[in-house]
Amino acid sequence: AQTVTQSQPEMSVQEAETVTLSCTYDTSESDYYLFWYKQPPSRQMILVIRQEAYKQQNATENRFSVNFQKAAKSFSLKISDSQLGDAAMYFCAPSFQGAQKLVFGQGTRLTINP
Amino acid sequence: DVKVTQSSRYLVKRTGEKVFLECVQDMDHENMFWYRQDPGLGLRLIYFSYDVKMKEKGDIPEGYSVSREKKERFSLILESASTNQTSMYLCASSYSGTIYYEQYFGPGTRLTVT
Repeated sequence: AQTVTQSQPEMSVQEAETVTLSCTYDTSESDYYLFWYKQPPSRQMILVIRQEAYKQQNATENRFSVNFQKAAKSFSLKISDSQLGDAAMYFCAPSFQGAQKLVFGQGTRLTINP
Repeated sequence: DVKVTQSSRYLVKRTGEKVFLECVQDMDHENMFWYRQDPGLGLRLIYFSYDVKMKEKGDIPEGYSVSREKKERFSLILESASTNQTSMYLCASSYSGTIYYEQYFGPGTRLTVT
């Protein structure tokens, strides 16, 4: 069975600084997609960024970028210039080959200190 | 604009009651999902549906059933609610015609069983 591990239950960062959230997974598949989702307090889960496993280039979306290490099965999220609105639960969620299902990690609660 | 709605944000039920959680999406998505979210466990898939009247068990289907009579609506049923089903329930939908399998989430229903 595929498993996803987010080893940091909680993280905090000063406003305007950079923070990296880690995610590792276990799969025997070679072709899959990886997602980071954000769940702000009392608000809906939204997609932050996605990465195709066949692409070597790391995905970026404005202040959000990933460090995808396929051999190490690692998919970390870097948030630059942290803002108060970035405070949320963040979930790593791969979607493995042939499956339209996502496998979610345990989540990391990110706090932004003003 | 993409929209997934859930019938209730908060629900309190008694042990043994039959509970219906409703989810509606307006994006003509083929796939719909029900998750349960518990602290430290992330999101766990209960059931999903690829099409009307189609359903498949997820990782934790015990104690739950689902119904999908119309494409836009996916219901989660707790036949006889128990206290260990107290949790946050999230509905999501996705489009089959893309390789990305991005899921769109509803706001969640926080269910308390007393």
